[in-house]
Amino acid sequence: DTAVSQTPKYLVTQMGNDKSIKCEQNLGHDTMYWYKQDSKKFLKIMFSYNNKELIINETVPNRFSPKSPDKAHLNLHINSLELGDSAVYFCASSQGVPPREFFGPGTRLTVL
Amino acid sequence: GEDVEQSLFLSVREGDSSVINCTYTDSSSTYLYWYKQEPGAGLQLLTYIFSNMDMKQDQRLTVLLNKKDKHLSLRIADTQTGDSAIYFCAEILPRLSGYALNFGKGTSLLVTP
Repeated sequence: DTAVSQTPKYLVTQMGNDKSIKCEQNLGHDTMYWYKQDSKKFLKIMFSYNNKELIINETVPNRFSPKSPDKAHLNLHINSLELGDSAVYFCASSQGVPPREFFGPGTRLTVL
Repeated sequence: GEDVEQSLFLSVREGDSSVINCTYTDSSSTYLYWYKQEPGAGLQLLTYIFSNMDMKQDQRLTVLLNKKDKHLSLRIADTQTGDSAIYFCAEILPRLSGYALNFGKGTSLLVTP
């Protein structure tokens, strides 16, 4: 049973396109996140949702729009893709104190 | 924001102990974490420590915390080849709502036979 799953695992697309990445967690957690890991493995938070409400937006360009249809899902839509968007995007979820984040396997996005 | 600092590489022989060091930024961080990332995989939480503790041991893992110096370390005893991975330390940074994890750049651990 996969706790946090993401689709697709790999995404290759042209500059200027719009794409979406989906995330689902079956842990019953209230809080979900999107992180970006660049080519140097540097990991940075992008967004956090708690019970479908956006609670953290870390100065991410507004080409990135997260959407949470319910508390088990958090999708990431990216408009007008740029070369610099190439990275691995991780979804995570957490609940409780101390907060312990469970990560999905990642989506490797390559923009050509 | 400020960077959580970690050395980038560490190489040890199988059976030796590994010590991975981290300097974090926020002295008020309540929890500090160690995550492991194997190639092509997501991050796996290894252990965490509450800021009022100096040490935490969990099987082969020992976490040491020096709050005065904002220094965190992870010791892996009897390191195995399967421990080869990238290890990230992370601190909690509070936000107006919720919190965010601020990660270091990761230490690549290579365990040689």
